[in-house]
Amino acid sequence: QVQLVQSGAEVKKPGASVKVSCKASGYIFSDYYLHWVRQAPGQGLEWMGWINPKSFGTISAMKFQGRVTMTRDTSIGTAYMEVNSLTSDDTAVYYCARGKKDYYYAMDVWGQGTTVTVSS
Amino acid sequence: DIQMTQSPSTLSASVGDRVTITCRASQSISSWLAWYQQKPGKAPKLLIYKASTLEGGVPPRFSGSGSGTEFTLTISSLQPDDFATYYCHHYDTYPWTFGQGTKVEIK
Repeated sequence: QVQLVQSGAEVKKPGASVKVSCKASGYIFSDYYLHWVRQAPGQGLEWMGWINPKSFGTISAMKFQGRVTMTRDTSIGTAYMEVNSLTSDDTAVYYCARGKKDYYYAMDVWGQGTTVTVSS
Repeated sequence: DIQMTQSPSTLSASVGDRVTITCRASQSISSWLAWYQQKPGKAPKLLIYKASTLEGGVPPRFSGSGSGTEFTLTISSLQPDDFATYYCHHYDTYPWTFGQGTKVEIK
């Protein structure tokens, strides 16, 4: 079945980097956009950006530009998001989500989430 | 950035009730709006996109309407599985943003 499986929880110190992976299965990876959304503890959802696995094009929210890098490896159907210069404000659950075909903005399949904790 | 404001923030209702959640955008977003349902500890689930298009497999008791700056999500007859938090999400211009969420609780 169609699913996205994310890498496991991470604990990082302030100033460090974290790279979260999102492995797709059950569909043609390069045919669908991949979004990243995060949720701080007890808070709402925050859209971070998307990657087009076919073209390698990316768009990210301005607040993350220069600090977030989205990449993919089409040979293994996996997308990655790296966040640099972590602060406690980056403590959150990070989700990857697939954009629907022909309606790439609507996120129809989600990963299980990866908890990233930033603490000294 | 376009701000999305949901009301109410919390809603207490009973099984069988008709429930309406409102989402207002700080500027016109045409019909570029989606609704998601999220249960504690789980990933969000897509309910509606393009303001009123029901995602496949979503029960027809869910419906969405609106355009421009005001949108609604309606649950025609609340079921036990519907107690959750609901988020609107605009994708008109970057950055895309979510509303702060509406928690639907058992009355």
